[in-house]
Amino acid sequence: EADIYQTPRYLVIGTGKKITLECSQTMGHDKMYWYQQDPGMELHLIHYSYGVNSTEKGDLSSESTVSRIRTEHFPLTLESARPSHTSQYLCASSAWTGRHEKLFFGSGTQLSVL
Amino acid sequence: GIQVEQSPPDLILQEGANSTLRCNFSDSVNNLQWFHQNPWGQLINLFYIPSGTKQNGRLSATTVATERYSLLYISSSQTTDSGVYFCAVEGRDDKIIFGKGTRLHILP
Repeated sequence: EADIYQTPRYLVIGTGKKITLECSQTMGHDKMYWYQQDPGMELHLIHYSYGVNSTEKGDLSSESTVSRIRTEHFPLTLESARPSHTSQYLCASSAWTGRHEKLFFGSGTQLSVL
Repeated sequence: GIQVEQSPPDLILQEGANSTLRCNFSDSVNNLQWFHQNPWGQLINLFYIPSGTKQNGRLSATTVATERYSLLYISSSQTTDSGVYFCAVEGRDDKIIFGKGTRLHILP
């Protein structure tokens, strides 16, 4: 099983602040993803990465940016937070095991922008 | 991009009942996974099933890739089965896209 760590678990900040949500995985997975989810609703893909120095935008228009300098680390940055960014942010990673590919999720960061 | 539709959107059942959840997708996929999101928000991978049939206890899943749909069967429902069930597909562009989910509520 993959271990994916997200910090912080909860974050309350004021409008206009710059924030970085951290995501790390310990299994050496190449593919990593960021999703945004409102309570009980669908997950929207905002960024993904195939590996180091590879990042792509997802289907949801987002004012966030990501970087992938190391395999295990995939941080998400909001340059200027707004109330519309209030949501849960989920990080995931996946790898092909030779038999199947599974997507593993972290516990999420619940972001509230006042 | 690829479209994923799940049905029904909501389902309320008595404990012990069986249910079938459906996932339709609009294009060929590299893989398909079913997830359960429990009331605490944790996403649990249930099946990786790009084609064929798999079973795990009271749960089973079938994907017919040529007809672009997958089914998740839950037998003898328990209250712990409550939550949201998501289908997620990986298209040829490597994006993993989720459906809107089926909200399942099992009554004791």
